[in-house]
Amino acid sequence: AQSVTQLDSQVPVFEEAPVELRCNYSSSVSVYLFWYVQYPNQGLQLLLKYLSGSTLVKGINGFEAEFNKSQTSFHLRKPSVHISDTAEYFCAVIFSGNTGKLIFGQGTTLQVKP
Amino acid sequence: SQTIHQWPATLVQPVGSPLSLECTVEGTSNPNLYWYRQAAGRGLQLLFYSVGIGQISSEVPQNLSASRPQDRQFILSSKKLLLSDSGFYLCAWLRGIGELFFGEGSRLTVL
Repeated sequence: AQSVTQLDSQVPVFEEAPVELRCNYSSSVSVYLFWYVQYPNQGLQLLLKYLSGSTLVKGINGFEAEFNKSQTSFHLRKPSVHISDTAEYFCAVIFSGNTGKLIFGQGTTLQVKP
Repeated sequence: SQTIHQWPATLVQPVGSPLSLECTVEGTSNPNLYWYRQAAGRGLQLLFYSVGIGQISSEVPQNLSASRPQDRQFILSSKKLLLSDSGFYLCAWLRGIGELFFGEGSRLTVL
């Protein structure tokens, strides 16, 4: 079955520290990969996406993610977080060209502490 | 400009009552539209999606239904709500490959 796993439900981190949010997906011939962010009581917004090309993709707010095909992972990173980065982050995948259907992970809550 | 509106934003309903959540999109035509539900600690579950007027695909069997009476309108309904229907409901349209544009959400509490 096609699935997306976010290994950490909560990640606490101090302000200005680096952070990595992990995402793995069930193997597939081809995938499109996404990270979304959700601030409290709001809808989701796209943070970054990988469709093809360079495996390192950069998004908004200083975030980046790296596609690792052999490990079927798409981890999200930021070298220095801010209080305003506190939010829930969702990894999402489109499997094998089904461009209309995103499968989301369970989400990771990033808690940035002063 | 492209916008998506959902209402109501908050709803408290008794068990067994009906439900209607509405979603409208502006600034685009013939969009692919989606209803997701977000329950606490469970991520996003795709409920329905629609590629055109009157075309609805259901992802999971459940107590809910969806309709698309107009090109840019998508409605989520229930005849009799269950406690398990509580959650945060999000409407979205597909703006590009995998790029969903979400509404602000409707929080439903069933008591």
